Amino acid sequence: AQKVTQAQTEISVVEKEDVTLDCVYETRDTTYYLFWYKQPPSGELVFLIRRNSFDEQNEISGRYSWNFQKSTSSFNFTITASQVVDSAVYFCALRLGGSQGNLIFGKGTKLSVKP
Amino acid sequence: NAGVTQTPKFRILKIGQSMTLQCAQDMNHNYMYWYRQDPGMGLKLIYYSVGAGITDKGEVPNGYNVSRSTTEDFPLRLELAAPSQTSVYFCASLLGSGGSYGYTFGSGTRLTVV
Repeated sequence: AQKVTQAQTEISVVEKEDVTLDCVYETRDTTYYLFWYKQPPSGELVFLIRRNSFDEQNEISGRYSWNFQKSTSSFNFTITASQVVDSAVYFCALRLGGSQGNLIFGKGTKLSVKP
Repeated sequence: NAGVTQTPKFRILKIGQSMTLQCAQDMNHNYMYWYRQDPGMGLKLIYYSVGAGITDKGEVPNGYNVSRSTTEDFPLRLELAAPSQTSVYFCASLLGSGGSYGYTFGSGTRLTVV
């Protein structure tokens, strides 16, 4: 069965701290895609990154970075020097290759960044 | 280019009432999805469609129905609303199942059943 686990339900940090959001996934497929979405208090879903199972390179985008490790089935997300605007719920999601394309979401991690 | 448009944004229903959540996309995407998001939970798939005239159940289809008569529209019908259907509903679309395609999500419909 396919599954995404985000063990951290809520995280609270003070502005400028670094924070890592964990994501562990389960699948037996060799082709799959991993996603991170941000859901700010306004409620919309904001796409952050997509990674395919054949690309284990880490990625950095400004203050955001992602660490993909197939050996541990993890796709962790780090925010460096967090800001109040980073406060949101963050979802990790899995999509299988060659499937009907639906996303399997984790339960999300609520990040609160305090000034 | 409007993307994925969901209407209404908010709705309060009484138990036993019915309603249709509308979802329209103008990107000629083949794949469309309905998800529900309960508090503290991730999104769960209700129904999906891989093209006009083709729909299939997702993880939590009970109490809902869908149709896909055109590529653009994918309405979600609630029959006999129940408090358990209080949720935020998201519609999404995808051009195809290839890995290079990205999802477009609507802004959501917040439904309360009282």
